[in-house]
Amino acid sequence: DIQMTQSPSSLSASVGDRVTITCQASQDISNYLNWYQQKPGKAPKLLIYDASNLETGVPSRFSGSGSGTDFTFTISSLQPEDIATYYCQQYDNLPPYTFGGGTKVEIK
Amino acid sequence: QVQLQESGPGLVKPSGTLSLTCAVSGGSISSSNWWSWIRQPPGKGLEWIGEIYHSGSTNYNPSLKSRVTISVDKSKNQFSLKLSSVTAADTAVYYCARNLLGAWFDPWGQGTLVTVSS
Repeated sequence: DIQMTQSPSSLSASVGDRVTITCQASQDISNYLNWYQQKPGKAPKLLIYDASNLETGVPSRFSGSGSGTDFTFTISSLQPEDIATYYCQQYDNLPPYTFGGGTKVEIK
Repeated sequence: QVQLQESGPGLVKPSGTLSLTCAVSGGSISSSNWWSWIRQPPGKGLEWIGEIYHSGSTNYNPSLKSRVTISVDKSKNQFSLKLSSVTAADTAVYYCARNLLGAWFDPWGQGTLVTVSS
């Protein structure tokens, strides 16, 4: 199985701050990497697919980059509604699909 | 747009079988997509369980493969999950989701909590 390591596991930032989350794959996965947002008590929501493509309707303050084994997810200006846990997910060398451990984003 | 809704018992006894159904609305389960089950233990991360195509082809997570069966009922536009020999470690919120292009999951059902307890 491909292991996905996310960091940090949690972070606290102020409204308007730039927030960066990293995801590292245990082997090369090209750009086969997606990002999800999960708010408390809700199902995950797709934000970014294929490492850098913004899903329709998702605010442009969210972005993703990377390829191979190292990926980055960025919120350019943190908003109160962005409080959630964010997960990366790979789809290379299936099965299984695997997820990162999650990053909980809180407001300082 | 496509919507998914999980249903099934919220409490299962240890050593029993967990059974859930995912009803698909707003689209056909016979479209060119795979359909997945994913679970999340309380306070923990996401684990993919397995997927099915409308033809009945399946793929399972090797860590659960010996206990999982996923099936499809095209006449009812739904698919189902059975997980046997459950223990407390199987307590989780269970989600169903559509695999788009065999790559990402969208949309997801709202999830249903299944507790394994006597």
